[in-house]
Amino acid sequence: EDKVVQSPLSLVVHEGDTVTLNCSYEVTNFRSLLWYKQEKKAPTFLFMLTSSGIEKKSGRLSSILDKKELFSILNITATQTGDSAVYLCAVLTQGGSEKLVFGKGMKLTVNP
Amino acid sequence: GAVVSQHPSRVICKSGTSVKIECRSLDFQATTMFWYRQFPKKSLMLMATSNEGSKATYEQGVEKDKFLINHASLTLSTLTVTSAHPEDSSFYICSARDRTGRTYNEQFFGPGTRLTVL
Repeated sequence: EDKVVQSPLSLVVHEGDTVTLNCSYEVTNFRSLLWYKQEKKAPTFLFMLTSSGIEKKSGRLSSILDKKELFSILNITATQTGDSAVYLCAVLTQGGSEKLVFGKGMKLTVNP
Repeated sequence: GAVVSQHPSRVICKSGTSVKIECRSLDFQATTMFWYRQFPKKSLMLMATSNEGSKATYEQGVEKDKFLINHASLTLSTLTVTSAHPEDSSFYICSARDRTGRTYNEQFFGPGTRLTVL
């Protein structure tokens, strides 16, 4: 069974802190790993990672994938209260039925 | 661009009734739409994949006779929860893949529908 595990499941930090979110996976037909941010409603796309070792950056957020060890991390530097959300990691499988398998999410709370 | 809407955003119904949820891609054509459900503090679980003009593909454990999916056009898919029970109460989210999309970041999520069955 395809599985995506995120850790920690929740984290409370102060503004300005740096956080690292972890995502490990076990899937039979890996294609890509995606990170999403979910506030009150639908998830919004952050990154898609397909190759190992190539860091993707967007402002204060960055992410990298290790396909040998089957994990990815999402870093957020200089956190702001607006970063408070649930961060979802998902793996896109390939093959006959292409689908996203989501982790449980990591709830981040950034206090002023 | 690339907006997906869902209607209704929130619905409360009595046990035994059926509820229809609509998912629309507003400014693009979606050959494929996906339906997820999300329980509190749980991940999004894929229920089914809906392709325009053909039958939906359901994930293991999802009852196709209970969760009816219709994808009659390139901009609309509907999920009908038939004979709803309290355990069907959940947050249902659809996503739509742009017809021209080659990468998965072109899958766009709707705002979700909160279903409460009394």
